[in-house]
Amino acid sequence: QITLKESGPTLVKPTQALTLTCSFSGFSLRSAGVGVVWIRQPPGKALEWLALIYWNGDKRYSPSLQNRLTLTEDTSTNQVLLTLTNMDPMDTATYFCAHFSTMVTTGYFGYWGQGILVTVSS
Amino acid sequence: DIVMTQSPLSLPVTPGEPASISCRSSQSLLKGGYNYLDWYLQKPGQSPQLLVYLGSIRALGVPDRFSGSGSGTEFTLKISRVEAEDVGVYYCLQVLETPFTFGAGTNVEIK
Repeated sequence: QITLKESGPTLVKPTQALTLTCSFSGFSLRSAGVGVVWIRQPPGKALEWLALIYWNGDKRYSPSLQNRLTLTEDTSTNQVLLTLTNMDPMDTATYFCAHFSTMVTTGYFGYWGQGILVTVSS
Repeated sequence: DIVMTQSPLSLPVTPGEPASISCRSSQSLLKGGYNYLDWYLQKPGQSPQLLVYLGSIRALGVPDRFSGSGSGTEFTLKISRVEAEDVGVYYCLQVLETPFTFGAGTNVEIK
């Protein structure tokens, strides 16, 4: 059974850095065709893809945020960390992580975490 | 970036009636015979859930009243007979290339 859960601070101040942890179970990030993605959703707005880490360690970032985003992984603890620097009130959103199945005959976010609402305010 | 355009953005539906959502991409999502287009439903207060992948393949456990069709740049999600539990926001997503991009969402509500 695949599960993912986001954790981290729910309130950050402007200009601070945010680090969120995606803790997962039921799969290995070293299995071919597997990835972990981060997506966010401002209150009342649409989903926005942020970043992806593949099973081989390759990482991809949203071009609009890539100067502020960093993904790291800890395979020993089955965690993927997302760091977003220089937080702004516009970054207030629910942040989701999800399992990405990325074989030729797949390509989907099949399992999602519950999400964590992060508010940026002084 | 590939731009995903959904329509309509709001869709009032009557239970038992069909419903249809359109998604258009700014470039073809067809590669190697597969269309890299997914559909997700986000029910109120919940995380999104996968409905359809590769344009037309229903995910495990998804009722057969949901069907995806289309190819290239034009895609459609159809609900043959809407049920009350189908309310929420439906999103299309292209996974052909990064940055992955979502449509703006279609809010389906009961009339």
